[in-house]
Amino acid sequence: DGGITQSPKYLFRKEGQNVTLSCEQNLNHDAMYWYRQDPGQGLRLIYYSQIVNDFQKGDIAEGYSVSREKKESFPLTVTSAQKNPTAFYLCASSMGAPHFYNEQFFGPGTRLTVL
Amino acid sequence: DQQVKQNSPSLSVQEGRISILNCDYTNSMFDYFLWYKKYPAEGPTFLISISSIKDKNEDGRFTVFLNKSAKHLSLHIVPSQPGDSAVYFCAGGTDKLIFGTGTRLQVFP
Repeated sequence: DGGITQSPKYLFRKEGQNVTLSCEQNLNHDAMYWYRQDPGQGLRLIYYSQIVNDFQKGDIAEGYSVSREKKESFPLTVTSAQKNPTAFYLCASSMGAPHFYNEQFFGPGTRLTVL
Repeated sequence: DQQVKQNSPSLSVQEGRISILNCDYTNSMFDYFLWYKKYPAEGPTFLISISSIKDKNEDGRFTVFLNKSAKHLSLHIVPSQPGDSAVYFCAGGTDKLIFGTGTRLQVFP
C-alpha cells in the first residue's frame, strides 16, 4: 500500500557526527519536504523539493543538507554544523506545489538524539 | 516571528460536547489554511482545509471557520469523541506551509 516511510524510528548519534535520515515515498508525488518539530513548537520547514534534482531551503536550513536524485527519495543529512540537532524529524510529500487541494502526507517521523 | 499562533496549548472537553480549537495568524498573504491532527510519535494527518475566499468548510463532524478581518480561524468538532484526543496543528499556506505550535485536545468520557 502507498505511503511514506522514514527509517529508523529512533536514532542516536554522538556529537560531531553527521547522520542521514531516510525518507521514501511510493505515492508518485512530485514534491517532498523535511520538517523539524521541537517541544512546544510547530513544525518548521528545513528543506523542500518540488522536482527531482532541485530543492530549496526552508526556514531553518542551516546545518542540514538534502539530495533529490530520485522522485521517491529525499534523504536529509544532519551535519555537525547543526547546533541543536536533537529533535523529531518529519518527512512529507504532496502531489504538487503546496495548495489547499494538495495536502501534504507525512511519514511517521524519526526521533534523533545526539548524545 | 510567529506567523501562526495557537494560544491555547491544551483543551479538555467532555465526550459528546463541542470542541473549539482556535488559531490566529498575522500573514495576510496566506491563501489557504489547513488543520492537521497528530498522535504521539506519529506524523500529522490532514484533517480539513479552507481557501481564503471561503468563510466556512464542513466535513462530517469537523467544520473550519475563517474570519479574514480578524485573521482568525477555528476548528469545531461536534460531537467530540475520545478518539479525537490528539494534538491539532493549524497551518497557513502560500508557497509553503507555516504551522502553529499546536493544541492538545483531550476528550474525556
